[in-house]
Amino acid sequence: EAGVTQFPSHSVIEKGQTVTLRCDPISGHDNLYWYRRVMGKEIKFLLHFVKESKQDESGMPNNRFLAERTGGTYSTLKVQPAELEDSGVYFCASSLLGVSTDTQYFGPGTRLTVL
Amino acid sequence: DAKTTQPPSMDCAEGRAANLPCNHSTISGNEYVYWYRQIHSQGPQYIIHGLKNNETNEMASLIITEDRKSSTLILPHATLRDTAVYYCIVRVVWGGGADGLTFGKGTHLIIQP
Repeated sequence: EAGVTQFPSHSVIEKGQTVTLRCDPISGHDNLYWYRRVMGKEIKFLLHFVKESKQDESGMPNNRFLAERTGGTYSTLKVQPAELEDSGVYFCASSLLGVSTDTQYFGPGTRLTVL
Repeated sequence: DAKTTQPPSMDCAEGRAANLPCNHSTISGNEYVYWYRQIHSQGPQYIIHGLKNNETNEMASLIITEDRKSSTLILPHATLRDTAVYYCIVRVVWGGGADGLTFGKGTHLIIQP
């Protein structure tokens, strides 16, 4: 069974440009989470989808970030326009809906560098 | 903010048991204790979780004190590949899912050859 996949693995862009990160969760996982770690900081929760609906987006830093999950399958996280402080590693995780244990499986992350 | 306290780093000899402590003195009755680890720059990896009983799986054991204010993750026979940052997380799991994970600074476990 394929795990959580993320694309691209690395992205280097200039300040002011737009970048779109993609996450493909494990098949059948309705819960999808986005996290990020910026340099020297802890991993921070960004938002949580249940199927195509945003369950919790309290961790989204500002309105330059837009997450979508059309059709309840893969998700995209767009940063527009990117700023220097957006540099970091963005992780996606997925889990089964309705399971009391909620084990989240993480992808390998996308390393974003904003110059 | 993380609701747990962990030592920043620990060493353990290869082949020995690694015991990683975690304090969660403000844990609520409906909060579970989860352990994840992050090896180098990979994505975090689930290890084990528990509510109040001790738990064991193929990776580790979790010992939760009776008052649930602290717990210990035990890696019974540590190998060099267990070198990683280990995170102890408390969270509520509800019927349809759960909130996002709140990561603290974790414990950097270094397995010595």
